[in-house]
Amino acid sequence: DSGVTQTPKHLITATGQRVTLRCSPRSGDLSVYWYQQSLDQGLQFLIQYYNGEERAKGNILERFSAQQFPDLHSELNLSSLELGDSALYFCASSVGVRPGVGSPLHFGNGTRLTVT
Amino acid sequence: QQQVKQSPQSLIVQKGGIPIINCAYENTAFDYFPWYQQFPGKGPALLIAIRPDVSEKKEGRFTISFNKSAKQFSLHIMDSQPGDSATYFCAASNPNYGQNFVFGPGTRLSVLP
Repeated sequence: DSGVTQTPKHLITATGQRVTLRCSPRSGDLSVYWYQQSLDQGLQFLIQYYNGEERAKGNILERFSAQQFPDLHSELNLSSLELGDSALYFCASSVGVRPGVGSPLHFGNGTRLTVT
Repeated sequence: QQQVKQSPQSLIVQKGGIPIINCAYENTAFDYFPWYQQFPGKGPALLIAIRPDVSEKKEGRFTISFNKSAKQFSLHIMDSQPGDSATYFCAASNPNYGQNFVFGPGTRLSVLP
């Protein structure tokens, strides 16, 4: 168990809808990262927050947004969903502002989003 | 410069073989190189990591070899088992502001019984 909790585990919704994915980082971790993984593909970095502030942005669509709350949990909001948004969405957390020897990056087990 | 290249894309070995997965980078600011193992439907799990001031690190059957001058590092799995069948990702971290952690594209390993 990595200690990173993601809910829900599965989500099925229709095109055009909006969903919210939730992540609770490991206790003590201040950084939260969001990744998208399409079928048999690599890990596409979406966005990182550190202690409530946006730290880095990757290939995140304008239809997607995220935030990190004062209790350090994070939410990823996906709107105007398209079929191509179907993927596994992973949250990861680390203690520091970036992964390192004393601040390893740990992943949750993801939310599988299916857009029909 | 922020990329990490990984090869091969897929690899099939017999049980007991020693699969080797290679990664290469350009950015000399990278200072932390972990490997992750991912089983289908699960999140990637940290396997082993190395800093560039160390040439080799072993943890159980997993070994990282690091060549700083060539800007390459590799994962060796000794006495591979069918349970090692998974996708392996190398990664690299740098202290620069912005996107400071990048993954390689992954290698799908199959260990045949």
